[in-house]
Amino acid sequence: SQTIHQWPATLVQPVGSPLSLECTVEGTSNPNLYWYRQAAGRGLQLLFYSVGIGQISSEVPQNLSASRPQDRQFILSSKKLLLSDSGFYLCAWSRQGASGYTFGSGTRLTVV
Amino acid sequence: QKEVEQNSGPLSVPEGAIASLNCTYSDRGSQSFFWYRQYSGKSPELIMFIYSNGDKEDGRFTAQLNKASQYVSLLIRDSQPSDSATYLCAVNEDSNYQLIWGAGTKLIIKP
Repeated sequence: SQTIHQWPATLVQPVGSPLSLECTVEGTSNPNLYWYRQAAGRGLQLLFYSVGIGQISSEVPQNLSASRPQDRQFILSSKKLLLSDSGFYLCAWSRQGASGYTFGSGTRLTVV
Repeated sequence: QKEVEQNSGPLSVPEGAIASLNCTYSDRGSQSFFWYRQYSGKSPELIMFIYSNGDKEDGRFTAQLNKASQYVSLLIRDSQPSDSATYLCAVNEDSNYQLIWGAGTKLIIKP
């Protein structure tokens, strides 16, 4: 069976500090991978998606970036965090050609 | 721009009653429809999905599609307090990897 791992679960970072969130998928190959952000009481905002190694599409211009160094690894990064980067970050995967998503457990980021 | 709209709620339903959640979508080309449940502080989990060719029932949950009016419904029978959560509707085109998400409806089941 397929599983998705996302860490850390909670993170408190000062403004201006760097960020690295990691997500890995097990039990499948060549998945579509996604990073979403959910502000408190709000809907899901797609940040990045990837259909293959090194292929990243950005949906929202901002100070975040994403990378996919391996088939089942997706990383969200920032060089300098802003207060507005606070939120619940969710990684998700889906099969190529299929459309249902499975989410990781999420990372709650608070920038102080 | 493709949109999915949901009433934010909260929708309050007595325990044991039927909870009815709706979402409307703008793109007539949409082919698959998803309902996710999200408990407070947790990530969304898929509970139902249907394709444009028909409705689906799974236990206490039924998903129904009205293509002419472009809305999809989720019915929860015999509602339980554990059903209290935010329900997210998402819509997809076969040609597109991405889901278009509604903002969610908060459902409260009162004991």
